[in-house]
Amino acid sequence: DQQVKQNSPSLSVQEGRISILNCDYTNSMFDYFLWYKKYPAEGPTFLISISSIKDKNEDGRFTVFLNKSAKHLSLHIVPSQPGDSAVYFCAASEASGTYKYIFGTGTRLKVLA
Amino acid sequence: ETGVTQTPRHLVMGMTNKKSLKCEQHLGHNAMYWYKQSAKKPLELMFVYNFKEQTENNSVPSRFSPECPNSSHLFLHLHTLQPEDSALYLCASSQDGANTGELFFGEGSRLTVL
Repeated sequence: DQQVKQNSPSLSVQEGRISILNCDYTNSMFDYFLWYKKYPAEGPTFLISISSIKDKNEDGRFTVFLNKSAKHLSLHIVPSQPGDSAVYFCAASEASGTYKYIFGTGTRLKVLA
Repeated sequence: ETGVTQTPRHLVMGMTNKKSLKCEQHLGHNAMYWYKQSAKKPLELMFVYNFKEQTENNSVPSRFSPECPNSSHLFLHLHTLQPEDSALYLCASSQDGANTGELFFGEGSRLTVL
């Protein structure tokens, strides 16, 4: 049973508009969350994180929102750029000791010029 | 360049072969991980090492054998694999005890089992 779910396998957005990628989780013990971006033939690269003591974290064009009661997080990219086209993974872990992250299946974002 | 280097980048092997994947991190981290990425599946955590000690074995078949001789190096020894083991194998490292717990990934080793 998947503990971290990304229900949209793909998303297309026009350049300059907002991209919203969603992630749901089932384990209430998760309290640290990451978003990764992956280009073909490369390893995932870290984008942004959020801990459960916050409901929002912002870094430049990227903002992550966490709704603990709904067990839902989202990544907002604004404005979207063609270089943002990649697969985005969310990951969750309990923040204790070694982080054993559970990943979602990913959402492929395509930003149209 | 993430500071995590994996070799080889591509490997083709028969089911009776023995091969190894290598990972080296230059970040001074104390935890290292093996993940498996199969098509249309989430990244699956295989093994975790913390200060060279294995702290997690996520029900991985014994045909995969990890080795962590020191905090900078991690190996995955492969023996009598099956075609369904074909996947991208990703190594990652992190600094345990740090506030972020961010994983740094290598570029992966693409394995094909014939």
